Amino acid sequence: KQEVTQIPAALSVPEGENLVLNCSFTDSAIYNLQWFRQDPGKGLTSLLLIQSSQREQTSGRLNASLDKSSGRSTLYIAASQPGDSATYLCAVLQAGTALIFGKGTTLSVSS
Amino acid sequence: DAGVIQSPRHEVTEMGQEVTLRCKPISGHNSLFWYRQTMMRGLELLIYFNNNVPIDDSGMPEDRFSAKMPNASFSTLKIQPSEPRDSAVYFCASSLPDGYSNQPQHFGDGTRLSIL
Repeated sequence: KQEVTQIPAALSVPEGENLVLNCSFTDSAIYNLQWFRQDPGKGLTSLLLIQSSQREQTSGRLNASLDKSSGRSTLYIAASQPGDSATYLCAVLQAGTALIFGKGTTLSVSS
Repeated sequence: DAGVIQSPRHEVTEMGQEVTLRCKPISGHNSLFWYRQTMMRGLELLIYFNNNVPIDDSGMPEDRFSAKMPNASFSTLKIQPSEPRDSAVYFCASSLPDGYSNQPQHFGDGTRLSIL
């Protein structure tokens, strides 16, 4: 059974720092991996989607990498800002199932 | 464009009552998903539909839960009778066709359900 783990569960950094969020999964047979952002009291916003054949995706200050063989993904946030404060979730898609989510990393960026 | 619309945003009701959650997916999206989020278990899929047809309902916790999608623009998730352990945030999401595997899912803002 696929399990998705995110470390750390919470992270606090000062504004301007570059940071990395980690996601690991136990079964490498995935279609894609997605990173989402969730603000308090809100739904999830899709940030990046990496196909199983891809190694990374970039959007603005965000860069997500995927190493399927080792079951790992990282989300890199450059020059963090207070507005980046949110919970970040990763999720994997497997055949015959819908998304399987990690429990998220709650990020706090102080000004 | 309007995103996924869920109603109500908040629901507080007593144990034993029937609860109906509603979802309007993004126009043109053929896949619809219902998730439940709790602190203990995180986000879990309950059921998903492709072209209004339920494909996988293995996540539905028990017979008290039922979901319907009578047309492409509307879905309901019903709990009858409700129990305190059903308290959670329920999300609806939709995505474009193409087997949904290559398309990101778009989430609504959720319904925060409290069963007293």
